[in-house]
Amino acid sequence: DAGVIQSPRHEVTEMGQEVTLRCKPISGHDYLFWYRQTMMRGLELLIYFNNNVPIDDSGMPEDRFSAKMPNASFSTLKIQPSEPRDSAVYFCASSLLQGRRSNEQFFGPGTRLTVL
Amino acid sequence: LAKTTQPISMDSYEGQEVNITCSHNNIATNDYITWYQQFPSQGPRFIIQGYKTKVTNEVASLFIPADRKSSTLSLPRVSLSDTAVYYCLVGDVTGGGNKLTFGTGTQLKVEL
Repeated sequence: DAGVIQSPRHEVTEMGQEVTLRCKPISGHDYLFWYRQTMMRGLELLIYFNNNVPIDDSGMPEDRFSAKMPNASFSTLKIQPSEPRDSAVYFCASSLLQGRRSNEQFFGPGTRLTVL
Repeated sequence: LAKTTQPISMDSYEGQEVNITCSHNNIATNDYITWYQQFPSQGPRFIIQGYKTKVTNEVASLFIPADRKSSTLSLPRVSLSDTAVYYCLVGDVTGGGNKLTFGTGTQLKVEL
């Protein structure tokens, strides 16, 4: 398996523009997570899905952020409009189990977002 | 805002044992404690997980006291390639609910 695939790897955009980050989880995994990593706040969980259904989106910072998982092999994280403070590395991860049974997640390489 | 805290950094030499502790006072009752390793420009990578007492695999050991409010990752005989940032991951129940929360991370530097 190729592992978790994220695209693009790098994104530079201007304030106010829409940004869409993409993720393909490992085949067969039924949990998908979106994280954001910054120097100031570390690794933060934004949202996670189970069987394509959003379970916990309490980490999504504002209404400008939205995430979808239309099928088991694809998810998007959208920021509209983007702001300079959204600059961060965004990771997608997938797993077979979660919570009391396991927290072994497989992370993608991340998307480095820079908003000018 | 409750935090899952770790020492910011640790230094060691090749061949030594390194112990990194994570404090998680508000851990969810039934959730596992998981540790990850992260190299620059890469996503975190799973190392080990456990629920209580001691767990050992081919790369590390994990020690968890009975109250589960902390955990210690033990890396035996570290090498230069173990230089990385190490994170714990737990379910945090601060404020109700159960939120997956990464620790603040520990930068381990291994020297010759």
